[in-house]
Amino acid sequence: DTGVSQDPRHKITKRGQNVTFRCDPISEHNRLYWYRQTLGQGPEFLTYFQNEAQLEKSRLLSDRFSAERPKGSFSTLEIQRTEQGDSAMYLCASEGTSGLGELFFGEGSRLTVL
Amino acid sequence: GENVEQHPSTLSVQEGDSAVIKCTYSDSASNYFPWYKQELGKRPQLIIDIRSNVGEKKDQRIAVTLNKTAKHFSLHITETQPEDSAVYFCAASNFIGDDKIIFGKGTRLHILP
Repeated sequence: DTGVSQDPRHKITKRGQNVTFRCDPISEHNRLYWYRQTLGQGPEFLTYFQNEAQLEKSRLLSDRFSAERPKGSFSTLEIQRTEQGDSAMYLCASEGTSGLGELFFGEGSRLTVL
Repeated sequence: GENVEQHPSTLSVQEGDSAVIKCTYSDSASNYFPWYKQELGKRPQLIIDIRSNVGEKKDQRIAVTLNKTAKHFSLHITETQPEDSAVYFCAASNFIGDDKIIFGKGTRLHILP
């Protein structure tokens, strides 16, 4: 499968624990996005990368959230000291170099904070 | 920053009728407006998009219109079928400025038999 892959697909954790999600974009896609989606809502922008450079991080995102894309390929999203309000689906998407603008989403990583 | 509003949040139409979903955006610099469809339990997928240099675009039963003056754009689905039942998201970005893509909150479309 050459699509966007995310791992893990599901994560259950206790409040206060740290979690890390990984996203592998489509090969050679230079732009990578992280979104958060809760039930009945649209994807909420978290951050995005152009190759290894983080272009922007949402002002709504607390300092507990950090993302990296060290070699311009896969990316990780870490949430420290998780809270119940962090429970959501975390979606990764990549955008190609063709300039067409289409986002290719992964299946998402569902986080449940108990 | 960009803000995208989408209406209605839920829409039910009889099979065979048309459905219209409307979005407004706040940033006049936005020039790229995609629509994504998300079926239950699946990832969002692009169904159609429009750029600011055109006012309308069609792809079979789906069309999108754009009014840059009023800063709103709409998705039109004709001859609706059961497989059109899904959540639809509009989005906007300043593609020339390499800006991020911001989504609306979504419209849940129910096609009634």
